[in-house]
Amino acid sequence: GEDVEQSLFLSVREGDSSVINCTYTDSSSTYLYWYKQEPGAGLQLLTYIFSNMDMKQDQRLTVLLNKKDKHLSLRIADTQTGDSAIYFCAESIDDYKLSFGAGTTVTVRA
Amino acid sequence: DGGITQSPKYLFRKEGQNVTLSCEQNLNHDAMYWYRQDPGQGLRLIYYSQIVNDFQKGDIAEGYSVSREKKESFPLTVTSAQKNPTAFYLCASSIGATSLGTDTQYFGPGTRLTVL
Repeated sequence: GEDVEQSLFLSVREGDSSVINCTYTDSSSTYLYWYKQEPGAGLQLLTYIFSNMDMKQDQRLTVLLNKKDKHLSLRIADTQTGDSAIYFCAESIDDYKLSFGAGTTVTVRA
Repeated sequence: DGGITQSPKYLFRKEGQNVTLSCEQNLNHDAMYWYRQDPGQGLRLIYYSQIVNDFQKGDIAEGYSVSREKKESFPLTVTSAQKNPTAFYLCASSIGATSLGTDTQYFGPGTRLTVL
């Protein structure tokens, strides 16, 4: 079955790097996603990675994928107050379905 | 501007009443989705539609109904049969079957439904 797990909370000082971790169970997942949700809003796609890649970098965001351990991480460099949000990891189940983690609430402190 | 709109942003209904949530997209996407979000939980799929006049049940379809008469619209009805309807409802769309590679889902701003 599909089960995506994330730690629930992360507190980080402004200017430091944030690392959000996620584990997934479906080894056949072809794509893994990171979404950001600000309070009262919908989900914003941050980035995604294809399962045959180990790493993807996009400006301040770095995604690392360890397919052997089914572990995905999102690193945010130089974390800012605007990065405070809930971050969701999701894996593709089939052509249409995604399985989401419960989300990691990131709080950026001055 | 291209995007997904959901209305209303907040909705209050009395217990036992049906209520319909609107979702419209002008992205020319074939596929549309409805998710439910509860505090501290991930998103759960209610229904999805791959193409006009076709839809499939997701993981928690009981107590909900949908229609897909137009490509740009995918309304969700929360019926009185839904035991615990108070939640945040998110609509999404994706290119669909014609996509090459990832069929990334894009989300609307959500509707918060409170049943009193």
